[in-house]
Amino acid sequence: AQTVTQSQPEMSVQEAETVTLSCTYDTSESDYYLFWYKQPPSRQMILVIRQEAYKQQNATENRFSVNFQKAAKSFSLKISDSQLGDAAMYFCAYKDSGGSNYKLTFGKGTLLTVNP
Amino acid sequence: NAGVTQTPKFRVLKTGQSMTLLCAQDMNHEYMYWYRQDPGMGLRLIHYSVGEGTTAKGEVPDGYNVSRLKKQNFLLGLESAAPSQTSVYFCASRNSGIVVYEQFFGPGTRLTVL
Repeated sequence: AQTVTQSQPEMSVQEAETVTLSCTYDTSESDYYLFWYKQPPSRQMILVIRQEAYKQQNATENRFSVNFQKAAKSFSLKISDSQLGDAAMYFCAYKDSGGSNYKLTFGKGTLLTVNP
Repeated sequence: NAGVTQTPKFRVLKTGQSMTLLCAQDMNHEYMYWYRQDPGMGLRLIHYSVGEGTTAKGEVPDGYNVSRLKKQNFLLGLESAAPSQTSVYFCASRNSGIVVYEQFFGPGTRLTVL
């Protein structure tokens, strides 16, 4: 079974600085999707960024980028120029690309605090 | 376009009571999901549906039932609530295309069972 591990229960960063959140996963599949979701205090789950395993290029969305290391099964999220609104719980998630597997597997989350 | 909505937002039950959580989506999505979120556990899949009239078990289905009578609605039922079912429940949906995979989440329902 696939597992997703977020080894940092909590992280903090100063406003305008850069922070990296770690995620590792375990799978025997060669093709899959990886995601980072943000959950602010409102509880709404918001997709931050996605990565298809077959793409070698790291995904980027504005201030958010990933470092996808397929061989190491690592998928870290870098937040540049951190803003107060980035404070939230961040979840890493995995999904097989196969059509018969509908399950998203989530890590336990990393709580990010942004200090002014 | 409201996206995914959940009713109610909060609920307190006594042990043994029953209730139904309603999820509605207006995006014409085929797939719908129910998750629960517990502290330190991330989100875990309870049940899901791949289309109107279909349901399937996720990883933690015990104590829950679901129905998908209409494409836009996915109901989660607790027949006899237990304190272990105290949690935040999230509904999600996605379309059937796999070119760009994304699940859209509702705002959650906080359920407390006393």
